[in-house]
Amino acid sequence: RKEVEQDPGPFNVPEGATVAFNCTYSNSASQSFFWYRQDCRKEPKLLMSVYSSGNEDGRFTAQLNRASQYISLLIRDSKLSDSATYLCVVNNGDSSYKLIFGSGTRLLVRP
Amino acid sequence: GAVVSQHPSWVICKSGTSVKIECRSLDFQATTMFWYRQFPKQSLMLMATSNEGSKATYEQGVEKDKFLINHASLTLSTLTVTSAHPEDSSFYICSASSGSLDEQYFGPGTRLTVT
Repeated sequence: RKEVEQDPGPFNVPEGATVAFNCTYSNSASQSFFWYRQDCRKEPKLLMSVYSSGNEDGRFTAQLNRASQYISLLIRDSKLSDSATYLCVVNNGDSSYKLIFGSGTRLLVRP
Repeated sequence: GAVVSQHPSWVICKSGTSVKIECRSLDFQATTMFWYRQFPKQSLMLMATSNEGSKATYEQGVEKDKFLINHASLTLSTLTVTSAHPEDSSFYICSASSGSLDEQYFGPGTRLTVT
């Protein structure tokens, strides 16, 4: 079983749509959770951290369920520029600062 | 702030040669740097963790004699791919941390092609 599992997609949605991505992780000791965005042939960029209480940043909302070891990302009012691969990332749960990356969910927003 | 650079951004080399990739933190001191590799349509896989002034810690399955890592200062880490083979062709990305769990800044990556 992968440490961080994501649906690879692609999710093909029209502009303005709402789209949700899910992720599960296997290490119950993980303490930090993130969503990163990666454009084709580029490095990943931090989109947002995910907190237990859930958090929102503009059109993006992230939720964490520690009991189910489940993380979600909701994107409202999709823009063409949102087309990218979204990576679910958790830390290793120890003092090493290691990050474990999911394989990503690809989003295509069409006009 | 928190800018990480990598050099070169891409490199093509012949099989059997060695390639050095540099990772620099430009505006902060990186106590820990990480080296990742990403094959097409796959996720980032951590290769090794390096702390300034000490030996790197390699992930299982990564050959330390093939992928030499040096973290000689708080702003520079280097990855040398020795005796490169075509299967080493990949996107190599470094990240740097100043020591906080939530702060890991990624370099722009180096695309290595071994012919």
